[in-house]
Amino acid sequence: AQKVTQAQTEISVVEKEDVTLDCVYETRDTTYYLFWYKQPPSGELVFLIRRNSFDEQNEISGRYSWNFQKSTSSFNFTITASQVVDSAVYFCALRSYNQGGKLIFGQGTELSVKP
Amino acid sequence: EAQVTQNPRYLITVTGKKLTVTCSQNMNHEYMSWYRQDPGLGLRQIYYSMNVEVTDKGDVPEGYKVSRKEKRNFPLILESPSPNQTSLYFCASSSLLAGGTDTQYFGPGTRLTVL
Repeated sequence: AQKVTQAQTEISVVEKEDVTLDCVYETRDTTYYLFWYKQPPSGELVFLIRRNSFDEQNEISGRYSWNFQKSTSSFNFTITASQVVDSAVYFCALRSYNQGGKLIFGQGTELSVKP
Repeated sequence: EAQVTQNPRYLITVTGKKLTVTCSQNMNHEYMSWYRQDPGLGLRQIYYSMNVEVTDKGDVPEGYKVSRKEKRNFPLILESPSPNQTSLYFCASSSLLAGGTDTQYFGPGTRLTVL
């Protein structure tokens, strides 16, 4: 069975703090992709990153960085120097090769950044 | 601008009154899908389509119908809506590159209330 677990339901930080959102996944497939999406209070789902199972290089995009560790089946997301505009629900998701294309989502982590 | 559009964005209706939520994408994507998002249950796939005239059930298809007569459109039909279909609905699309693991882009969401 495939599963994505985001153990942190809610996180609250003060602006400029760094924060890491955890994501652990389960799959028996050897080829798969991992994603992070952001859902701001307005409700839309915004794509942030896609990472394939063969590429364990960490990625940095501005204040965002992602750490993919296949050995621990984790794909964690760090926001450096958080801002109020980062307040949102963040979803980690898994999509496997030839599994009907379904995205399997974690339950989401609600991040609140206070001024 | 590349996008997925959904209409209506908000809808309040009554039990048993047939309704259609439209979804359209302008990215020439083969794959389209519908998800519903519910508190405590997360995001779950309703139906998906790999191409024109090819559709299949997701995890929660009961009470829904879809059709894919054109590549760009994938309407969701509720023939006899019930209160348990009150939810936030998302349409998504992606190419079928990499064995169906390409990024899914989401529409803005349709908030449906069935009284």
